[in-house]
Amino acid sequence: EAQVTQNPRYLITVTGKKLTVTCSQNMNHEYMSWYRQDPGLGLRQIYYSMNVEVTDKGDVPEGYKVSRKEKRNFPLILESPSPNQTSLYFCASRKDGINYGYTFGSGTRLTVV
Amino acid sequence: QQQVKQSPQSLIVQKGGISIINCAYENTAFDYFPWYQQFPGKGPALLIAIRPDVSEKKEGRFTISFNKSAKQFSLHIMDSQPGDSATYFCAASWSKIIFGKGTRLHILP
Repeated sequence: EAQVTQNPRYLITVTGKKLTVTCSQNMNHEYMSWYRQDPGLGLRQIYYSMNVEVTDKGDVPEGYKVSRKEKRNFPLILESPSPNQTSLYFCASRKDGINYGYTFGSGTRLTVV
Repeated sequence: QQQVKQSPQSLIVQKGGISIINCAYENTAFDYFPWYQQFPGKGPALLIAIRPDVSEKKEGRFTISFNKSAKQFSLHIMDSQPGDSATYFCAASWSKIIFGKGTRLHILP
């Protein structure tokens, strides 16, 4: 089944404790992206990657890091999480070329206390 | 200029009725307009999409109407069913994709 797999689904952590949310896709998509979803704010792009070793900032990159060492994986790293990063996070991928829809993962609900 | 304005924020429709969600954009460089459907606890899923060279696209009960001159597009859900209750996002893209803020649709049984 073609899918984007995120882990974990739920995570509660404390301020300042480094964490990584993993994302993997099995569709050989070139383009991958991370979004956060907050009530009233919709989906906001954090980082994106157009291919291996090519990453760029989205609209809300502060406090986040990403890497793209392999085509299928695109982990999101929070070096020092803060409570304002409490959110619902989605990884998404699509084929190269803008006129393709995203496939989204099921989401990671992160709570930073 | 990069915003996509979506309305209404929430919508309640009787079963069997027509649900209509509207979006407006400013940037004429946008050339792909998808709609996503999101159920609670799930990621958004691509529902239907249109390119600006057509004025309407229909897939089953879902129709996108596109007005290039007005820079507006809308999603129509015919014969709305309780199973259509979800959050709907419009989007517009050129070199990047911009999402609307979403509409929470509730279909009354």
